[in-house]
Amino acid sequence: GALVYQYPRRTICKSGTSMRMECQAVGFQATSVAWYRQSPQKTFELIALSTVNSAIKYEQNFTQEKFPISHPNLSFSSMTVLNAYLEDRGLYLCGARRENSDYTFGSGTRLLVI
Amino acid sequence: GDQVEQSPSALSLHEGTGSALRCNFTTTMRAVQWFQQNSRGSLINLFYLASGTKENGRLKSTFNSKESYSTLHIRDAQLEDSGTYFCAALTTGGNNKLTFGQGTVLSVIP
Repeated sequence: GALVYQYPRRTICKSGTSMRMECQAVGFQATSVAWYRQSPQKTFELIALSTVNSAIKYEQNFTQEKFPISHPNLSFSSMTVLNAYLEDRGLYLCGARRENSDYTFGSGTRLLVI
Repeated sequence: GDQVEQSPSALSLHEGTGSALRCNFTTTMRAVQWFQQNSRGSLINLFYLASGTKENGRLKSTFNSKESYSTLHIRDAQLEDSGTYFCAALTTGGNNKLTFGQGTVLSVIP
């Protein structure tokens, strides 16, 4: 079956520092990877969508300068939160999808900023 | 604006009863997924539909792309069904953007 491993599960970083999270797709080729943040109100915000052979597309309010993403092959993606501040707290989730199929999500990375 | 409107936002069910969650779409979607989010935050895949109806145990989901809605029916609810349920829809066009609904917090009570 399709699995997505996301790590770390939880991380604490000091205000102004950066942290990186990673996702590994197992059992399928992740032609698309989407990174989301779930707010305290539980809504999901799409940060960016990366599709093989296309440029990474960031949503409004999110930039590559703040959330650089790498999707170097069909099984791996990473995202960094640069200069994290309190408003960056939340649960970050990566979802990976193969062509014409559903998204499978990792278990999320919970970011706390102190 | 919001493309996926999910209702209800919260639902309480007695064990053994059932109900339905619904998502309305303001634009044409080409597929829908339903997830259950557990207490640790993980999203568990329940259904993926490009059309029609699928059933899995006590859950059944329908996606009507023409009328722009999807439903998730739960029957014979059990305590372990408690959690937050989300629908998410894939927009049409060349992108693979998945837009989430606002979620339904389900509480199953004895």
